Amino acid sequence: AQKVTQAQTEISVVEKEDVTLDCVYETRDTTYYLFWYKQPPSGELVFLIRRNSFDEQNEISGRYSWNFQKSTSSFNFTITASQVVDSAVYFCALSEAGETSGSRLTFGEGTQLTVNP
Amino acid sequence: ETGVTQTPRHLVMGMTNKKSLKCEQHLGHNAMYWYKQSAKKPLELMFVYNFKEQTENNSVPSRFSPECPNSSHLFLHLHTLQPEDSALYLCASSQDGGTIKQYFGPGTRLTVT
Repeated sequence: AQKVTQAQTEISVVEKEDVTLDCVYETRDTTYYLFWYKQPPSGELVFLIRRNSFDEQNEISGRYSWNFQKSTSSFNFTITASQVVDSAVYFCALSEAGETSGSRLTFGEGTQLTVNP
Repeated sequence: ETGVTQTPRHLVMGMTNKKSLKCEQHLGHNAMYWYKQSAKKPLELMFVYNFKEQTENNSVPSRFSPECPNSSHLFLHLHTLQPEDSALYLCASSQDGGTIKQYFGPGTRLTVT
C-alpha cells in the first residue's frame, strides 16, 4: 500500500525567510508519480509540480524548488524568500502507475504554512 | 471561465434531508473524481469516473451516491447523512488517470446537523 507522510503539521515563518516542507512516501512500485499541491484559504487545490520516479533531477521554478531523493523516499519542497501570499496548506501526493491504481492519488495530511509580515 | 466549478459552495443539511452536490469541468477531460477532506485528515478519494464509467469506489457508504451523466458533469447525491460526514467535498478532473495532474474545484463545505 502506498503512503505519504508530511510530518510538519504547521510551520510559521517571517516574510523573506526560506522554508522547506518535508514529504516522505512509501510505495512498492518502481514507477510512480509525486505531486505537490497548494490549497489557499479559498479551498481550491492548485497544482504545483509532478515528478516521475525516473527523474531525480531537482527542479526550480521561480522561488519554488523541489528536492527528490529516491534513496530516502523523500520529495521536499522549498520556498525561497517566502511571501505572505505563500500562506496556505501544502499537500504532497503519490500516484502509482498501475492499470488499476493509475487513477488513485494518495495525499499526505498537509502542512499549514503561515508567512507573517 | 474557471476550469472546474462546484455548486453549492456551502451546504447545511439535516440528517434526514436529501441534497446533491454538482461538479462541472470545462477542460475537455475524461476522468472526474470526488474527494472528501475532513479536518486533520488527508484527502480521501471517494469515487473515480473514467469516460462516464465508475472505475473506483473507495468503500464509500451507500448514503453517498455518485452520478456521472457525461464526461463534463459529476454529481454526488446525499441522503441520511451523519454529522461525521461534515467536510469539504472536492471535485477534480484530469485528462486521463491519476498519473496526469488533476484539476480541482473550490469544493463544497458541507455541514450535517
